[in-house]
Amino acid sequence: NAGVTQTPKFQVLKTGQSMTLQCAQDMNHNSMYWYRQDPGMGLRLIYYSASEGTTDKGEVPNGYNVSRLNKREFSLRLESAAPSQTSVYFCASSLASYNQPQHFGDGTRLSIL
Amino acid sequence: GENVEQHPSTLSVQEGDSAVIKCTYSDSASNYFPWYKQELGKRPQLIIDIRSNVGEKKDQRIAVTLNKTAKHFSLHITETQPEDSAVYFCAANRGNNDMRFGAGTRLTVKP
Repeated sequence: NAGVTQTPKFQVLKTGQSMTLQCAQDMNHNSMYWYRQDPGMGLRLIYYSASEGTTDKGEVPNGYNVSRLNKREFSLRLESAAPSQTSVYFCASSLASYNQPQHFGDGTRLSIL
Repeated sequence: GENVEQHPSTLSVQEGDSAVIKCTYSDSASNYFPWYKQELGKRPQLIIDIRSNVGEKKDQRIAVTLNKTAKHFSLHITETQPEDSAVYFCAANRGNNDMRFGAGTRLTVKP
């Protein structure tokens, strides 16, 4: 039982390149989330998926797209990476879409030059 | 949207002392308040949570209190140990997917 698995763990991109961050959970959770974590700013929600087949914008969605591929997998795509997107990205999942604890993956450390 | 403020940003205590971290929230509709611990380079991990129908919850050395009228909640860690050193985040959720996190408190427990 791995919980929430993110790939890759580290990535360096050049400005303008595209990339997809992968996330999978094996807890049969309905809801999944993508956050970014920047120094001194806590965790900010980029996109979420309340259930399979649905996705919605969070607090900071600009420059990102997501796909809920199936119940287990939720990917985050940067179409044209910018230096401002340098951050640590965390995927999380929860049993229901509200008032439930979220379980986090180990994160992806992304640097954009 | 919800706005969560967390204080202090850094906290240093002696081993065995208590530590208190406070958070305030702006949206009176918020009804779920988790606390996460994040060690350096690791994932945030849930340590305790409280819902709005409860005023206090305790789990061994950790407790959380909630004052809905004042819109603030606090994390209390008693008998601190060096392994409690980490960054702690509070969060507030309005009953939808919009979980807002505080900026974090870096707790250092000196042996």
